[in-house]
Amino acid sequence: GIQVEQSPPDLILQEGANSTLRCNFSDSVNNLQWFHQNPWGQLINLFYIPSGTKQNGRLSATTVATERYSLLYISSSQTTDSGVYFCAVPMIKAAGNKLTFGGGTRVLVKP
Amino acid sequence: DAGVIQSPRHEVTEMGQEVTLRCKPISGHDYLFWYRQTMMRGLELLIYFNNNVPIDDSGMPEDRFSAKMPNASFSTLKIQPSEPRDSAVYFCASSFSWIKRQKSSGNTIYFGEGSWLTVV
Repeated sequence: GIQVEQSPPDLILQEGANSTLRCNFSDSVNNLQWFHQNPWGQLINLFYIPSGTKQNGRLSATTVATERYSLLYISSSQTTDSGVYFCAVPMIKAAGNKLTFGGGTRVLVKP
Repeated sequence: DAGVIQSPRHEVTEMGQEVTLRCKPISGHDYLFWYRQTMMRGLELLIYFNNNVPIDDSGMPEDRFSAKMPNASFSTLKIQPSEPRDSAVYFCASSFSWIKRQKSSGNTIYFGEGSWLTVV
């Protein structure tokens, strides 16, 4: 199956700082999604981004499908950005909806 | 839309008891997923349905686990008998299929708030 790895595993930021989270995957994919799990456990979909770049407020994501990685950018971080960020890709090439999740990047934004 | 709705939100049960978790997917979505999250194993896909039909249950840990989707708006995940190692957060999620995907959102998966299960 397709392997997905995220880095760094942990990130501590001062409020207002910018950061980049990385997701590497082992094969070409037709589906890649970023999620944020907040401290209350809710999983919120941030981006559906199998390729290209998208922006939503202070968050943006870029996927370079040919090089098998995706980046999530957090700008001007706020304490509400704390939580765990996951990327997810299909488990196998032909199963676009059957996603496997990376281990996540745990982010703590300090006031 | 109300989003994916799960119940119960929290359940504490004794070992050996039957546990039933419930899920209502987003109206119109034709894929439904059950995931389990633990500290040790992260997020694992247990089973998923397409148009109410189970497509892949290879992630179901053992025969004590079963899932059904009797109609497009309801699914259950049952554990019988429950064991302490089943303690976890169980998430239900739904999405459009590749054929029905919306242009901008693609196959975006939407999660419910989870059912926090503790087996003592």
